[in-house]
Amino acid sequence: AQSVTQPDIHITVSEGASLELRCNYSYGATPYLFWYVQSPGQGLQLLLKYFSGDTLVQGIKGFEAEFKRSQSSFNLRKPSVHWSDAAEYFCAVGPISNFGNEKLTFGTGTRLTIIP
Amino acid sequence: DTGVSQDPRHKITKRGQNVTFRCDPISEHNRLYWYRQTLGQGPEFLTYFQNEAQLEKSRLLSDRFSAERPKGSFSTLEIQRTEQGDSAMYLCASSSLIAGGLEDTQYFGPGTRLTVL
Repeated sequence: AQSVTQPDIHITVSEGASLELRCNYSYGATPYLFWYVQSPGQGLQLLLKYFSGDTLVQGIKGFEAEFKRSQSSFNLRKPSVHWSDAAEYFCAVGPISNFGNEKLTFGTGTRLTIIP
Repeated sequence: DTGVSQDPRHKITKRGQNVTFRCDPISEHNRLYWYRQTLGQGPEFLTYFQNEAQLEKSRLLSDRFSAERPKGSFSTLEIQRTEQGDSAMYLCASSSLIAGGLEDTQYFGPGTRLTVL
């Protein structure tokens, strides 16, 4: 069965500092990988996704993520965070099949706090 | 493209009552998903539809839960005889799977927060 681990429950970063959120997945083959962001009381917004090809993917709001097959990781990075980046971040994995994405399996999330 | 919409955004009910939520997907998206998210957790898959066919249901979806997508457009999720453990955010997502394609991105709605007293 597929699973996702986000080892950091809560991260605090100063505004303007760099950010890296960790995500490790377990799956028998190369999966689809996603990062979503959720503001309090809101739904999930897609930040970026990896299906195949270049292992460094660019997303919205200046975020990027790198797929490392050898480490089963898909870490999210941003060179300089803004106060508006404070939110909950979820990594998700979906199976590659002939039928598309089907269900996503999410990690437990990392809450990001930005301090001035 | 108006995005995925869900109604209501908040629902407070008493234990034992029935509730129904509605989800309107992005127009022409043929896939629709329901997830449940409890406090401090990531969303958990409940069920999904391709057009009007319900193709998979999670073990989380007990007999008290039923979902429909009668015309392959909007969907409803009904919970009968609600319990306090049903309190959660119910999220809907939609996607468009092109025939023969593999890439399939799910876009989420704002969710319906259910509180069972």
